[in-house]
Amino acid sequence: DIVMTQSPDSLAVSLGERATINCKSSQSVLYSSNNKNYLAWYQQKPGQPPKLLISWASTRKSGVPDRFSGSGSGTDFTLTISSLQAEDVAVYYCQQYYTPTWTFGQGTKVEIK
Amino acid sequence: EVQLLESGGGLVQPGGSLRLSCAASGFTFDSSAMSWVRQAPGKGLQWVSAISDGGGSTYHADSVKGRFTISRDNSKSTLYLQMNSLRDEDTAVYYCAKPSWALLGPVDYWGQGTLVTVSS
Repeated sequence: DIVMTQSPDSLAVSLGERATINCKSSQSVLYSSNNKNYLAWYQQKPGQPPKLLISWASTRKSGVPDRFSGSGSGTDFTLTISSLQAEDVAVYYCQQYYTPTWTFGQGTKVEIK
Repeated sequence: EVQLLESGGGLVQPGGSLRLSCAASGFTFDSSAMSWVRQAPGKGLQWVSAISDGGGSTYHADSVKGRFTISRDNSKSTLYLQMNSLRDEDTAVYYCAKPSWALLGPVDYWGQGTLVTVSS
């Protein structure tokens, strides 16, 4: 199985400041045939199911604020919140869908400093 | 509007069985692969099982292999998860999840989840 490791486990950021979450996969999730990274980012708030933010490592889902961005390729990925808002307090997960046996990172809790 | 409505959760004793259902609407169910993802209380997301659009291919996490079976009835637009020999560690909210493209796509729709509690 592909192991997904996020860092840090939690972070506290001031309102309006940048938040950066890293995700590393134990093997590449880049398909050479189409040059796509099979990596997604989700946001989960308490009592709610996860919500898709970013797919294919860097494609923002329609309706997601542009302060959220994804980058990276191969085995190393980053989710950036450029200017943290109060409503961004949540747990964020990366996920690989390179194989049908999906795996998720352990989650990163984002709080307001 | 896509809707995924899980049901069948509840309290069960260790060693017992439950069958979860996920009623789907708002999309062409028989053209979509589906999965189950669970979340233990206060923990992260764990993929459980997946099934292709026609039901011919199924996948299960090692932790549930031999105990859980995923299936679907396309005539009823319903996904199932038969859970046998339940253990304490199976306690979780179980989400029905629809990937955007076969099983190699991000999850664009999630159900609200159904809670399974395994306890004596």
